[in-house]
Amino acid sequence: QQQVKQSPQSLIVQKGGISIINCAYENTAFDYFPWYQQFPGKGPALLIAIRPDVSEKKEGRFTISFNKSAKQFSLHIMDSQPGDSATYFCAAILSGGSNYKLTFGKGTLLTVNP
Amino acid sequence: GAGVSQTPSNKVTEKGKYVELRCDPISGHTALYWYRQSLGQGPEFLIYFQGTGAADDSGLPNDRFFAVRPEGSVSTLKIQRTERGDSAVYLCASSPTRLAEGSSSYNEQFFGPGTRLTVL
Repeated sequence: QQQVKQSPQSLIVQKGGISIINCAYENTAFDYFPWYQQFPGKGPALLIAIRPDVSEKKEGRFTISFNKSAKQFSLHIMDSQPGDSATYFCAAILSGGSNYKLTFGKGTLLTVNP
Repeated sequence: GAGVSQTPSNKVTEKGKYVELRCDPISGHTALYWYRQSLGQGPEFLIYFQGTGAADDSGLPNDRFFAVRPEGSVSTLKIQRTERGDSAVYLCASSPTRLAEGSSSYNEQFFGPGTRLTVL
């Protein structure tokens, strides 16, 4: 059972456009939601993260929107640049004793055309 | 400083062989994690070490998989009798000090570049 569902699988955006990636989860015990960026041949790197008591978090061109009632969250990349081309993973972590085990979505391959 | 390093970067083996994958965490990080990333999938949790002990090995798929961290630093993931389905990128991550049980904080995990294992 996939606990974190991510869409779309791939996304092509023109330079300067907005990239939007969506995720949904089932387990209400998740209480921390990070986004990871992965370039080819590299490991995932933490990009931005949010807790469910906050509806939005912005860091530079990257914004997470969180809808707790719908159990959905999304990543928005404003003014997308070719250097943003990478695979993006949403993830979730349980509260309590298992607050180390990342559960990842399947990833979104983002291509930003110049 | 240096990040998490993993060796080898690529490993090709034949079905039925034994392989060892090595992870060098960031110096001073007490927590270490192994994940497996199959083609087109997100990483999946395998095992978590706190110091020398495996605190959670619930993600290991079967008893052919085993991991050690004898001195609380370097870790080795060992796979016996490899199968074609074991082909994947094996990622290692580390994080600093242990969180208290039930803590609401999250300790960022720093990932290495992975070892790409191909079983022919």
